[in-house]
Amino acid sequence: GEDVEQSLFLSVREGDSSVINCTYTDSSSTYLYWYKQEPGAGLQLLTYIFSNMDMKQDQRLTVLLNKKDKHLSLRIADTQTGDSAIYFCAETDPMDTGRRALTFGSGTRLQVQP
Amino acid sequence: EPEVTQTPSHQVTQMGQEVILRCVPISNHLYFYWYRQILGQKVEFLVSFYNNEISEKSEIFDDQFSVERPDGSNFTLKIRSTKLEDSAMYFCASTLSVTGELFFGEGSRLTVL
Repeated sequence: GEDVEQSLFLSVREGDSSVINCTYTDSSSTYLYWYKQEPGAGLQLLTYIFSNMDMKQDQRLTVLLNKKDKHLSLRIADTQTGDSAIYFCAETDPMDTGRRALTFGSGTRLQVQP
Repeated sequence: EPEVTQTPSHQVTQMGQEVILRCVPISNHLYFYWYRQILGQKVEFLVSFYNNEISEKSEIFDDQFSVERPDGSNFTLKIRSTKLEDSAMYFCASTLSVTGELFFGEGSRLTVL
């Protein structure tokens, strides 16, 4: 079945850039997402990218997609203490009626040190 | 801003008891989902619901689980006879279309003793 893998933990200093990586197994993944989960809260969609794109930038967030290696990354520029959270990578192929549901990675805990 | 709301935020129950988790999706959304997250583990898909029927379900969603949309606003997840391993955070989500943004609620934490 589909699988999404992430590293578990990343620690950076405030003001530095953070890069969170994700790999996925299903080459038919067409939508790839990054969600943020703050303590005690739900999942907040940060950004997403379609599989026909290589890069998407949205303010401090840059998503890079390497389809050949099935590798997705999220770069947060000028990381702030408020960015401390768990970041989940997720994928889906909504046109595949058998699996429109999202497949999530295990999440990367980002710790931002002042 | 419209949001998905879930109740209760935390429920503690004894093994073998029935539990109903409630969700109010965003009002004009058409697709509804339940996911769960066991502490420290991945967010896992349970079930999706569209047009008053289940459209997709995972292996986790066995006969102990059921979903219902009893009226135009609520979407419920029932666990008939809870087991210890059902302890998790349960997230409800909704979207307008299968390609649209999925909005998640803040979750209901279920603790089975």
